[in-house]
Amino acid sequence: DGGITQSPKYLFRKEGQNVTLSCEQNLNHDAMYWYRQDPGQGLRLIYYSQIVNDFQKGDIAEGYSVSREKKESFPLTVTSAQKNPTAFYLCASSPGTGGVFRLAAFFGQGTRLTVV
Amino acid sequence: GENVEQHPSTLSVQEGDSAVIKCTYSDSASNYFPWYKQELGKRPQLIIDIRSNVGEKKDQRIAVTLNKTAKHFSLHITETQPEDSAVYFCAASSDQGAQKLVFGQGTRLTINP
Repeated sequence: DGGITQSPKYLFRKEGQNVTLSCEQNLNHDAMYWYRQDPGQGLRLIYYSQIVNDFQKGDIAEGYSVSREKKESFPLTVTSAQKNPTAFYLCASSPGTGGVFRLAAFFGQGTRLTVV
Repeated sequence: GENVEQHPSTLSVQEGDSAVIKCTYSDSASNYFPWYKQELGKRPQLIIDIRSNVGEKKDQRIAVTLNKTAKHFSLHITETQPEDSAVYFCAASSDQGAQKLVFGQGTRLTINP
């Protein structure tokens, strides 16, 4: 069954702790993305990667880090430097090849992070 | 960089009527414009997309129109049904440069029976 899997679905973090959100895809997509969604807000880009071992900062990268060691995996670490981490985090992937429609993003089911 | 503005933020229509959501973009290099539907607590799902060399695209009850000169594009839903209730997001991207999707702020569409 092809798709994007995020885990865990719910995550609770104590203040001052780092946490890592998992994102795995078996769609053979080249590009992967992390978005943050706050209540009633749009999707803001945190980091994106267009190829293995390479990634770029999005609009709100401060307090976050990523790695792209494998094509299938793009984990996001929320560090203690992120002052307001409570949000819904969405991972997405896109084909990366095949004309302009390669930019179409397919989303995982999301991880809801709450700081306690 | 690209900036996408989406209006209205909320929209309520009677079942069977049409709904229109509009977006404007700033980067004239953008050439790909998808629309996503997000039901409560679920992931956004791609419902229709268009590229800049096409003015309109239809898929059953939904259609998207693009005006490159004015840099705006719209989603049209006809014969609305209760299951159309959701948050809709527009986005824009270019296949040059950063190649990242920039999203609008979203429109909460409510279909009243």
